[in-house]
Amino acid sequence: DADVTQTPRNRITKTGKRIMLECSQTKGHDRMYWYRQDPGLGLRLIYYSFDVKDINKGEISDGYSVSRQAQAKFSLSLESAIPNQTALYFCATDTGGTDTQYFGPGTRLTVL
Amino acid sequence: AQRVTQPEKLLSVFKGAPVELKCNYSYSGSPELFWYVQYSRQRLQLLLRHISRESIKGFTADLNKGETSFHLKKPFAQEEDSAMYYCALAAGNKLTFGGGTRVLVKP
Repeated sequence: DADVTQTPRNRITKTGKRIMLECSQTKGHDRMYWYRQDPGLGLRLIYYSFDVKDINKGEISDGYSVSRQAQAKFSLSLESAIPNQTALYFCATDTGGTDTQYFGPGTRLTVL
Repeated sequence: AQRVTQPEKLLSVFKGAPVELKCNYSYSGSPELFWYVQYSRQRLQLLLRHISRESIKGFTADLNKGETSFHLKKPFAQEEDSAMYYCALAAGNKLTFGGGTRVLVKP
């Protein structure tokens, strides 16, 4: 299912660098989400957007920012990466309510 | 605030044995609960949702509001069930996930 894509798939960077992770979807959904996955902690919501003009912080937004460039695109930035931001990052989309969320393949980020 | 707890980080069972993944939640409203699964090298995907009352791949889950639980069960585990399973609660227009349970089905 290539409806939700993420780039890059893997990235290794150094402490202090600015990093952007990108997400694109062809499902036509208004709502998009960024999560990070850590062992034992599950998926935690970083930011979410219900339409192009709507951006909301999730439970762990500190150190991150986002941009919703279009209905289909939602980018996550780490302004100054730190090692504890090493994780697997997922983008997801849905149409709202109790609809299924559709996930991207994930971006594995390592901050040295 | 809502919370989802999956007490087992790892469940290891033999093929053909029953498997039960526990999920407990806390939420003051009427819950909408889901199970998502992530197979090796695949993206996270919906397994089932409580409002559908469906059985997917032999798995069922019953919402018990009295015990605030939504445990996932399968009577006879198969090797292809080995995966990471997440329980999730929909509230406030977003999903809250549990910490996940890794299931390993041994031949």
